[in-house]
Amino acid sequence: DQQVKQNSPSLSVQEGRISILNCDYTNSMFDYFLWYKKYPAEGPTFLISISSIKDKNEDGRFTVFLNKSAKHLSLHIVPSQPGDSAVYFCAASEATSGTYKYIFGTGTRLKVLA
Amino acid sequence: DGGITQSPKYLFRKEGQNVTLSCEQNLNHDAMYWYRQDPGQGLRLIYYSQIVNDFQKGDIAEGYSVSREKKESFPLTVTSAQKNPTAFYLCASRASGVWHEQFFGPGTRLTVL
Repeated sequence: DQQVKQNSPSLSVQEGRISILNCDYTNSMFDYFLWYKKYPAEGPTFLISISSIKDKNEDGRFTVFLNKSAKHLSLHIVPSQPGDSAVYFCAASEATSGTYKYIFGTGTRLKVLA
Repeated sequence: DGGITQSPKYLFRKEGQNVTLSCEQNLNHDAMYWYRQDPGQGLRLIYYSQIVNDFQKGDIAEGYSVSREKKESFPLTVTSAQKNPTAFYLCASRASGVWHEQFFGPGTRLTVL
């Protein structure tokens, strides 16, 4: 049973437009959510996170929205740039339980077209 | 210059041989992790360790073993019991405390021939 799901395997967006990547989860105990960006044959790099006490977190062009009632989070990238083309993973954790364990989604491949 | 190193970048082994993947961090992080990534799939947790001399099985621990004798090091051994060892292996570390992200190494591509 996959606790963290990214139902869109790929997404194409024109340069300058908004990219919206979605993530759903099933475990209501998750209280910390993260987005990572990954290029082929490299390790993921951390982008942005949000705790369950918030519903929005911004960092430059990246904004993460959390809808706890729907168990859904999304990453908005505005404006999208060709360098944003990569695979994006969402991850979730029961941070306050002290388990230090993260569950990752299967990723969404974003392609930003110049 | 702090970070996580994994060596080697590419590793080839014959079927039936055990192989150990290295992971070292100088971030002074307590927690360390090993993940496996297969084509078209997400990161699946193999083992993790929250402190020295302690580690827990992840979701796909069968055929793997780890040790955590030093805070900086968390080597992963892929044994001959692992049925499909060819994959991209990622090591990560995390600082103690509640709201912290994981930092990842560059990965090791293991190919078993």
